[in-house]
Amino acid sequence: GAVVSQHPSWVICKSGTSVKIECRSLDFQATTMFWYRQFPKQSLMLMATSNEGSKATYEQGVEKDKFLINHASLTLSTLTVTSAHPEDSSFYICSARPQQGRTQYFGPGTRLLVL
Amino acid sequence: AQSVTQPDIHITVSEGASLELRCNYSYGATPYLFWYVQSPGQGLQLLLKYFSGDTLVQGIKGFEAEFKRSQSSFNLRKPSVHWSDAAEYFCAVGSYTGYALNFGKGTSLLVTP
Repeated sequence: GAVVSQHPSWVICKSGTSVKIECRSLDFQATTMFWYRQFPKQSLMLMATSNEGSKATYEQGVEKDKFLINHASLTLSTLTVTSAHPEDSSFYICSARPQQGRTQYFGPGTRLLVL
Repeated sequence: AQSVTQPDIHITVSEGASLELRCNYSYGATPYLFWYVQSPGQGLQLLLKYFSGDTLVQGIKGFEAEFKRSQSSFNLRKPSVHWSDAAEYFCAVGSYTGYALNFGKGTSLLVTP
């Protein structure tokens, strides 16, 4: 139980294009979903927290107009990297928190490479 | 605000040897504590968690952790390491006032034959 999927698992795009990453909780309803960014050999950096049906809360230093987050249902959150640039290349990981509980369950991650 | 320190960046152990990964937290109250494992290029898998009650918690894959309030620690242990345990291990702390987690910088475990 508590499976979270992400799609795509990796994506290569040209600079200036937008990329959408999906995060789905497959066997539970997620009140809250989180988006993290991870640089090579480093820890996870929380980018934003999203609650179903409301605007995401972004961490300090994260550009909300660049990283658009939508949490339209209890099982789906999307992260759109708008006008991507090479410095946006990274490993993006989502997690989901069930309606009852405090544990976060993580997706397998999406590797983004912007050329 | 809560924070987590994992003092060891890298640890190397021989297969079959015991393992202890250190985690120290900073938080004003009893925190929610987690250990996650990440294999290369993968997401994080929950090993175990502590919310309250028995301070020795059992997790998956033969791991256990002990919450010691006096030392602000939540160290992860395994009596006999397998080669498949080689991975990155993250300790994380959550608070009662929200659901976000603060992660330590991680400890990379290498298992030698």
